[in-house]
Amino acid sequence: GAGVSQSPRYKVAKRGQDVALRCDPISGHVSLFWYQQALGQGPEFLTYFQNEAQLDKSGLPSDRFFAERPEGSVSTLKIQRTQQEDSAVYLCASSLLLGNVYEQYFGPGTRLTVT
Amino acid sequence: AQKVTQAQTEISVVEKEDVTLDCVYETRDTTYYLFWYKQPPSGELVFLIRRNSFDEQNEISGRYSWNFQKSTSSFNFTITASQVVDSAVYFCALRLTGNQFYFGTGTSLTVIP
Repeated sequence: GAGVSQSPRYKVAKRGQDVALRCDPISGHVSLFWYQQALGQGPEFLTYFQNEAQLDKSGLPSDRFFAERPEGSVSTLKIQRTQQEDSAVYLCASSLLLGNVYEQYFGPGTRLTVT
Repeated sequence: AQKVTQAQTEISVVEKEDVTLDCVYETRDTTYYLFWYKQPPSGELVFLIRRNSFDEQNEISGRYSWNFQKSTSSFNFTITASQVVDSAVYFCALRLTGNQFYFGTGTSLTVIP
């Protein structure tokens, strides 16, 4: 596709369930970023990859959050034992390379609701 | 610490009015980039503009214009002759050499026909 795609677009999970959120970056984009956007807030950085290497995971809120990008393309954000405070929109972005001269293109997000 | 403040939570204007969205940022870095993004109801963040810390020249793109003032750490965004399609949430963001964004809390703009 032409842009970043994310699936599912909406996910409802019962508290305690594990969830997996998928991001398909723009083809050829080396860098991939995950953000969490709580209701009424701006996106907050979670983690980013360069190819398959996770270079920064300082924004992951707890060890229940885990992200991977095993082949340097598709990425999955996994949340174990979901809690209500995990309810948010999870945004993925990709850019051609790292560095501020390269734009980050955002996907539509996955809205996670934990009940 | 890095911080972006968008003091205006919600703004409503009547179509064809001009509107300015305020953004104030904090950083001790001398090299940084400032951005504005539009987030329509569909959820995607749409890039509007990027400005680096060494370029204080104001920019105009159609009905959009941006005013960057390092002296007041502000990067304000003006929409001239607003249209209903401009209704969205607008985010100001700061990006340092570490690549991740620091977003403000957004300003929800409603343009009333």
